[in-house]
Amino acid sequence: GAGVSQSPSNKVTEKGKDVELRCDPISGHTALYWYRQSLGQGLEFLIYFQGNSAPDKSGLPSDRFSAERTGGSVSTLTIQRTQQEDSAVYLCASSLGQGKNIQYFGAGTRLSVL
Amino acid sequence: AQSVTQLGSHVSVSEGALVLLRCNYSSSVPPYLFWYVQYPNQGLQLLLKYTSAATLVKGINGFEAEFKKSETSFHLTKPSAHMSDAAEYFCAVSNSGGSNYKLTFGKGTLLTVNP
Repeated sequence: GAGVSQSPSNKVTEKGKDVELRCDPISGHTALYWYRQSLGQGLEFLIYFQGNSAPDKSGLPSDRFSAERTGGSVSTLTIQRTQQEDSAVYLCASSLGQGKNIQYFGAGTRLSVL
Repeated sequence: AQSVTQLGSHVSVSEGALVLLRCNYSSSVPPYLFWYVQYPNQGLQLLLKYTSAATLVKGINGFEAEFKKSETSFHLTKPSAHMSDAAEYFCAVSNSGGSNYKLTFGKGTLLTVNP
């Protein structure tokens, strides 16, 4: 079946612009996660959704970052007023549930802020 | 709090040689442990996981890892490297308790396989 799909695969934007990154999880997966992968920081947890609610947003680096999930499926990560330090690969994952359930990852969106 | 340390950001082996990628973790509760592999421009793919059953875990592509509580280690091994194993490998930990959805990753180890 289809895996986790992320779009766009690459995004180049100018400093100060807003960007939206999209994630389509595996059908039936109730849990969805966003991670950020950058050269300096490695892989960092950003946010976790169970259904449409986000019980843990603790990894969002600033209030410029927000995410939502609608219909228990597609999720959008929005970064407002982008800064150069936001340049990274943003990875989405989904799983059947939490804990020991396997998180399946998408290929990511590579964001470059000029 | 939990953390993962991967010793060696870059490991180079010859084709057919043993692969050993090191991972040490810290966790205040019994952990779940994972190894993921990432090929260029792709997402992470699970190799294997430990969730408190057998301490020797076998994964895909001939990899295995052993959970050693006394050493807080979960090293990844493969007896004979193939060229196709060249990739970046990430060790990750999550709690078996409360925040068990959150994966904490090591910095990764880039494996190079020489012909």
